[in-house]
Amino acid sequence: KNEVEQSPQNLTAQEGEFITINCSYSVGISALHWLQQHPGGGIVSLFMLSSGKKKHGRLIATINIQEKHSSLHITASHPRDSAVYICAVRDNTDKLIFGTGTRLQVFP
Amino acid sequence: KAGVTQTPRYLIKTRGQQVTLSCSPISGHRSVSWYQQTPGQGLQFLFEYFSETQRNKGNFPGRFSGRQFSNSRSEMNVSTLELGDSALYLCASSSLERDTQYFGPGTRLTVL
Repeated sequence: KNEVEQSPQNLTAQEGEFITINCSYSVGISALHWLQQHPGGGIVSLFMLSSGKKKHGRLIATINIQEKHSSLHITASHPRDSAVYICAVRDNTDKLIFGTGTRLQVFP
Repeated sequence: KAGVTQTPRYLIKTRGQQVTLSCSPISGHRSVSWYQQTPGQGLQFLFEYFSETQRNKGNFPGRFSGRQFSNSRSEMNVSTLELGDSALYLCASSSLERDTQYFGPGTRLTVL
């Protein structure tokens, strides 16, 4: 079993829809990261969380430390949001452990 | 500020050869981490350097090594290349350890 699990693996949405991507982890962590990877490989760090909730534009990330779960929400989705979204946790040995990613496609 | 740069962007090698990849962090950043991304294993942590010291290492064989110079630039080396080493190698820098990371575009290595 992977230490970081993401769901769903693939997600298709119509433009304007509200999207939720989930991440569950089984190890103790000091922080959780949400990353975005576009075709071609470039990775952008979206959020780093250790508690609570963060918002940046149309993106919202939440984390529940007790339940070992985080969610990434995208409001009013747009085709340019199409990418792979990756959850990563920094474990108690300071290593980053990555989920397998969620491939999102948003159609006009 | 210029972003993280990695050279070369693409590389083709044959089994048994060795390869050196380079990463220049964002100016002022002292932490550099390296990652391997393959279709089968996804993203995996290789190592992390801070102020020329290796702070952390992932579960990779000793053929994978790295170093960081006094100007924070980092190199990673893979010796005796195997077919399974074909991957996208990404480096990321941050101003402090365990801070938000800024990723480079990656070096795509193909081993034939």
